[in-house]
Amino acid sequence: EAGVVQSPRYKIIEKKQPVAFWCNPISGHNTLYWYLQNLGQGPELLIRYENEEAVDDSQLPKDRFSAERLKGVDSTLKIQPAELGDSAVYLCASSLGSYEQFFGPGTRLTVL
Amino acid sequence: AQSVTQLDSQVPVFEEAPVELRCNYSSSVSVYLFWYVQYPNQGLQLLLKYLSGSTLVESINGFEAEFNKSQTSFHLRKPSVHISDTAEYFCAVSSGAGSYQLTFGKGTKLSVIP
Repeated sequence: EAGVVQSPRYKIIEKKQPVAFWCNPISGHNTLYWYLQNLGQGPELLIRYENEEAVDDSQLPKDRFSAERLKGVDSTLKIQPAELGDSAVYLCASSLGSYEQFFGPGTRLTVL
Repeated sequence: AQSVTQLDSQVPVFEEAPVELRCNYSSSVSVYLFWYVQYPNQGLQLLLKYLSGSTLVESINGFEAEFNKSQTSFHLRKPSVHISDTAEYFCAVSSGAGSYQLTFGKGTKLSVIP
C-alpha cells in the first residue's frame, strides 16, 4: 500500500514569492491534515479536512496561507506571499477515523 | 487543553546500552498516547501507541512504552540500542476516541554512539 505522497520534497524561494505544496493521501483515507514543523519543534496542525470540507482551520494564517482539497482526495497548501519566517517543513498526514495518522515525508521550504 | 512535555531535547547513548526517553502529558480527559520516530529528512513514522487495555505497549523493533496514569507519563524504553535507532522521537497525545487533535512534544534527539 502506497503511503502519503508529498511534492516537492524541497523548495527554495525568495521572500514575497508564492509557493505551493501538494499532498496525495493514502487511498481511502477521508481525513487529511497539514502540519507545520519548525526546526527543533514538534508538528503543529494548520488545517484538517474531512473529505473536501475544512473542519479545523483555526491555526491557519489566513492572510497568506490557503488550502484546498478538491474532490476529497489530493490537497494543495499555498503561501502567498512567503516570508522569511515561513521556512520550515510542511507535513501532510491522513487517517481513516480519528486515532492513527500516517505522515508523508514532508516538504522542506527555505525562504531567502 | 492538552500538552506534552519531553524532558530531554538530546540523549546520547552508547551502542547496546539501554535508553529511556521521557514523556509527560497533561489532559483533562482520557487520552490516547503515541510515539513517533523521524529519521533524517523523512516524515514521522508511528512507533507505538496506547489506546486502551494493557499499559505496556511494544513495537516490532524492541521499543516499549508504559502508560502511567497516576504520573501522567508515557516513557519510551529500549534495553539495547543500535546505531540505526539514531533519530528524533516525538511523543504525542490525543483526547481519546473521536478526537482528531494530536498534540506533539518538542522531540528528543537520540544519538547512538558506536
